Formats: sequence, C-alpha cells, structure tokens
Amino acid sequence: QVHLQESGPGLVKPSETLSLTCTVSGGSMSGYFWGWIRQPPGTTLEWLGYIYYSGSTDYNPSLRTRLAVSMDTSKSQFSLRLSSVAAADTAMYYCVRVSAVGGAFDIWGQGTMVTVSS
Amino acid sequence: DIQMTQSPSSLSASVGDRVTITCRASQTITTFLNWYQHKPGKAPKLLIYTASSLESGVPSRFSGSGSGTDFTLTISGLQPEDFATYYCQQSYRTPQTFGQGTRLEIK
Repeated sequence: QVHLQESGPGLVKPSETLSLTCTVSGGSMSGYFWGWIRQPPGTTLEWLGYIYYSGSTDYNPSLRTRLAVSMDTSKSQFSLRLSSVAAADTAMYYCVRVSAVGGAFDIWGQGTMVTVSS
Repeated sequence: DIQMTQSPSSLSASVGDRVTITCRASQTITTFLNWYQHKPGKAPKLLIYTASSLESGVPSRFSGSGSGTDFTLTISGLQPEDFATYYCQQSYRTPQTFGQGTRLEIK
C-alpha cells in the first residue's frame, strides 16, 4: 500500500525558509493531489496546500505569499517551502494524499515536528 | 473560509457506550464532509468520507450522517482503542478547513 514519509530539519531560525520533502512509496503519484497539513501545538489541523500530479497547485490564502509546493515524480517526492518563518509556524507537519473520491485526506505521513526558534 | 464547529469539545464515555459527535458548517457543503481519528504521536486516520462512506478497514461501529450544514459521527459500542480526538473536515471548497476537535476520554 502507499506510504508517505516526511523528511527535513526539525529546527528553523526565524525569517529563514522551512523546507520539507515527502517521499511516496508503494504506489504511483499519477492521478492524485498531494498536499501538506500542519498542526500547531494545542490547536486544530490546518490545510496548507497541494499539488496535482500534473503540476498545478492550490494554496491556503493565508500562506499564499510564503508557500510553494513542488513535485519530482522521477523521485516520487513532493516538497514544501515556507519562507520567512516565525514562531507561529512551529507545528507538526504532515504530508498527505488526497482521495480521488470526495477530496478527503486518505493517506498521511507520520508527521515531522518543526520548531521555529533562534 | 468555511468555518467548521464541532460539539462537544470533549466527551467522557465508557467502553460499550454509544456516542455522537456533531459538526456544523458555516455554509452548505453538501456531503463533502470527512471524519478523522487522531491519537497522540500518530498520524490522523480517515474514518468516514463524503459524510457517510466508511473508509476501507474502518470498523463498522463507526458511522456518519448528514448533509448541507449539519453532520454527525456515531460510534456504537465504544472500544478501548476508540479513545482519541476526532476531527471533521470540509472538502467542498478551498481552503479546506477542520473543526476544532472532540476529545473522547474514558469515564
């Protein structure tokens, strides 16, 4: 079955760029949207954005000026870059697959904790 | 953005109980409503999609209903492994949004 695994630094300095990669194994990336969700400590889940296998993207308007999601199908990976980070970007970051039926997030990575601190 | 409001925010129940969690959308989302279970240290798990469809592998004691703006998640016959936090999420329009969560605790 399809498995997702996030990778990237756990600590990022304020004003720098947070970069995470999600590796997809056990299945093809074709035909699906692939996205990112985060959960700051003590709060609910927040959808960040996603990318279709064709390369088109959609982002949460609250982050649109700072967020970029890209894909490298040859490596079965997709990535997140969030610029100008601040303490409010400290969160558990999950990569997800979007189901072809109804748009639910049907497969999740285990998550990676990112702390923004100097 | 579409606001999702869950109630209650927390709930105490016993093994074997039947519990219901509600989710209300700030505008109609037809049946683009999904439910997730989240345990500490684990990734959220999809339980129900499009309001009432059971995800593959999810026990049949979980069920969902509703359309428009009002939805429910029901767990019939709570098991020890069901104590977790539950989130609703709308996939009708971006930005896709989640409820604030319902923490289900052991009484």
